[in-house]
Order: sequence, then structure tokens, then C-alpha cells
Amino acid sequence: AQTVTQSQPEMSVQEAETVTLSCTYDTSENNYYLFWYKQPPSRQMILVIRQEAYKQQNATENRFSVNFQKAAKSFSLKISDSQLGDTAMYFCASHPNYGGSQGNLIFGKGTKLSVKP
Amino acid sequence: ETGVTQSPTHLIKTRGQQVTLRCSSQSGHNTVSWYQQALGQGPQFIFQYYREEENGRGNFPPRFSGLQFPNYSSELNVNALELDDSALYLCASSLATVDTDTQYFGPGTRLTVL
Repeated sequence: AQTVTQSQPEMSVQEAETVTLSCTYDTSENNYYLFWYKQPPSRQMILVIRQEAYKQQNATENRFSVNFQKAAKSFSLKISDSQLGDTAMYFCASHPNYGGSQGNLIFGKGTKLSVKP
Repeated sequence: ETGVTQSPTHLIKTRGQQVTLRCSSQSGHNTVSWYQQALGQGPQFIFQYYREEENGRGNFPPRFSGLQFPNYSSELNVNALELDDSALYLCASSLATVDTDTQYFGPGTRLTVL
């Protein structure tokens, strides 16, 4: 069974600074995907970034990047130039790649990020 | 492109009642997954539908059931509601192909059971 662990329940960062959110996971699958989702107070779960486990290169999306360490089963999210709109719950999630059949997402408990002016 | 929509936004029921939640998939998607998110927790997988068939189920009792329609919209039905069923119910749609994997979420339905 897959598990996802986020060890930081809450974090805060000053506007324009950089923050890193941690995530570790455990899986017996050889091929899987990893995600970071953002859930602001509006409740909508928004995809931030995704990583395919077989790709060595770390994914980046504008101000968001990941540090994917496959051997250590670690998948951290770095947010650069933090903005007030980044304030939200951040969830790390994984699911196996069954090659055309969708797997279900396994979520961590989330990290509440507050960006302060 | 239309995103994932859910109805209703909020719902209040009493213990023992039945409820139906609805989800419209993002245009072009053929897979719908349902998740339960208790307050302060990450979402938990309930079940998934692919081309109108159940395609995986999490650790939820049979009183949680679902349907997917030919237009790929979906319903989640919960019978004999319990207080612990109070949660945010999230629907996510995706396109199941060899290369795609990403689930896109709707805004959720907040269910309160009194």
C-alpha cells in the first residue's frame, strides 16, 4: 500500500521569500506519479505540479519546483517569490501508473502555508 | 473548456437519511473519482468510474454507491447517513490514456449530517 507523509502541519513565509514544503512517500510500485495540489479557503483543489517517477529531471512550473529524490522517496515543493495568493493548504499526493487505467490518489495530511505581507 | 462542476455546494441532512451528490466531468474526460475529505485531513479515495463501470474502490462501506452516465457525469449516493459522513466530497475527472494521469477536481460539496 502507498502512503504519503507531510511532516509540517503549518508553515509561514514572508512575501517574496522562498519556502520549501516536505513530503515523503512509500510505495511498492515501480512506476508512479507524484503531485502537489493547492487548496485555498475556497476549497477547490488545484494542481500545482506533477512529477513522473521514471523521469530524473525535477519538474518546474513558473515559481514552483520540486526536488525529487527517488531513492530517498522524497518529493519536496519549493515556492519562490512567495505571493499572498499562495496562502493555502498544500497536499502531496501519489498514484501508481497502470498504463492507461487510472490509479487513485493517495494524499498526505497537508501543510497549511501562510504568506505574510 | 468547461471544468469539473459539482452540485449542490452545501447540503444538510439528518442521520439515517439518504443523499445524492452530482458531478459533471471536464469536457473530454472519461474517468471520475470521488474522494471524502474530513475537516483538517487529506482526501480519502471512495471509488472511481471509468466508462460507466466501477474501476476501483477505497475502504468505504457498501452504503456508498455511485453511477457514471454515458456523458461521463457521475453521482455519489450515500444511504443511512451517519454523523461521521459529514465532510467535503470532492469529485475529480481525468482522461484515461497511456500517457495521461492527472485528475482535476471540482469545488466540492460540503455535507453536514445532524
